[in-house]
Amino acid sequence: ILNVEQSPQSLHVQEGDSTNFTCSFPSSNFYALHWYRWETAKSPEALFVMTLNGDEKKKGRISATLNTKEGYSYLYIKGSQPEDSATYLCAFIGSARQLTFGSGTQLTVLP
Amino acid sequence: NAGVTQTPKFRVLKTGQSMTLLCAQDMNHEYMYWYRQDPGMGLRLIHYSVGEGTTAKGEVPDGYNVSRLKKQNFLLGLESAAPSQTSVYFCASSLGGFVSEQYFGPGTRLTVT
Repeated sequence: ILNVEQSPQSLHVQEGDSTNFTCSFPSSNFYALHWYRWETAKSPEALFVMTLNGDEKKKGRISATLNTKEGYSYLYIKGSQPEDSATYLCAFIGSARQLTFGSGTQLTVLP
Repeated sequence: NAGVTQTPKFRVLKTGQSMTLLCAQDMNHEYMYWYRQDPGMGLRLIHYSVGEGTTAKGEVPDGYNVSRLKKQNFLLGLESAAPSQTSVYFCASSLGGFVSEQYFGPGTRLTVT
């Protein structure tokens, strides 16, 4: 079982604040990393799939970086809005082609 | 396109009963996955399929069986349900392999009493 950790577990920010969270994963046998956004009462939706060390991806106000050598990825949200409130999941894929999800970071953006 | 659909949405079983959860996708995806989601834990992969007629074990396969007789459908079976299988089950599909983004179904909430 692979150890994929996300921090913090939960986060409250004010509307307009920028924020970031971390996904830590084993630095050996890296294959890919996924980020998903999961709103309450809905299904997870893909944000990014990252495969190369140094990758940076951006979608609107959300961006992500990847460091495979040290085993972490950051997700950034610029100017948080109430509609950004959700749980953000990362999923690590190792060379065994198994996908392991972290427990998520629950973000609440207060108006 | 309906995307990924799951049937049923809710189910209550007694210990020892059997049931099958159906996942269907209309995106012509090769890969399909079954996960379970429990409080305080991330999604855990039960079984997956890399194409019609193929299945493989994930992280927590015990107590479950799967079949992929048609490309668009992926069935998850519980032969003898146990209370430990009370969970929310999500199906997902992806076009390519594990580097492709996954599309998730709405989930099935299963309670085993």
